[in-house]
Amino acid sequence: EVQLVQSGAEVKKPGESLKISCKGFRYSFASYWIGWVRQMPGKGLEWMGIIYPGDSDTRYSPSFQGQVTISADKSISTAYLQWSSLKASDTAMYYCASAYTDSSTAFHFWGHGTMVTVSS
Amino acid sequence: QSALTQPASVSGSPGQSITISCTGTSSDIGGYNYVSWYQQHPGKAPKLMISDVTNRPSGVSNRFSGSKSDNTASLTISGLQAEDEADYYCSSYTSSSTEVIFGGGTKLTVL
Repeated sequence: EVQLVQSGAEVKKPGESLKISCKGFRYSFASYWIGWVRQMPGKGLEWMGIIYPGDSDTRYSPSFQGQVTISADKSISTAYLQWSSLKASDTAMYYCASAYTDSSTAFHFWGHGTMVTVSS
Repeated sequence: QSALTQPASVSGSPGQSITISCTGTSSDIGGYNYVSWYQQHPGKAPKLMISDVTNRPSGVSNRFSGSKSDNTASLTISGLQAEDEADYYCSSYTSSSTEVIFGGGTKLTVL
């Protein structure tokens, strides 16, 4: 069974940097788009961006372009989401999710989520 | 890029059928057959229920079905069960630079 395992919850201060991870198991990680979705407390889902691990082709939502960096290391089947300077408004649950077809538009498999709390 | 429009809530009794709508534009829902639907129970990760407007992934109950007409997509759940109570989100490919956008979500209550 395909599995995405995300790194643990983080508590950070404003201005700090952070990199969270998502490791894929039991599928060809390099061959399918993998993306990140934000869910702020009590709110809906927001598509942040996606990456194709095979060639690192990366696309961002305009809302998140320049605010975060998405990367992947196909040699260890791991995708990353990173911030260089966190804000309190980055407090949210972050899910990684992967496609399982050639298309990048549907996320077939999801990680359990990483809760990021930014507070002074 | 504006989110797709969903009703905030819908409700139904066990055994009934309900439909959740998702309205977009010709740049997203109306222009492409890349509509997906996700189910999210409280405190859990979303789960893909429908992709590409009508495709049901393996393991998803055939009580769930998707359709599309013009700029509006719909998710229909037949034979409503208590376990269907959850939040439901639609998403679509968009020709804007975003690539994919989500709807605001619909809370389904099983009475």
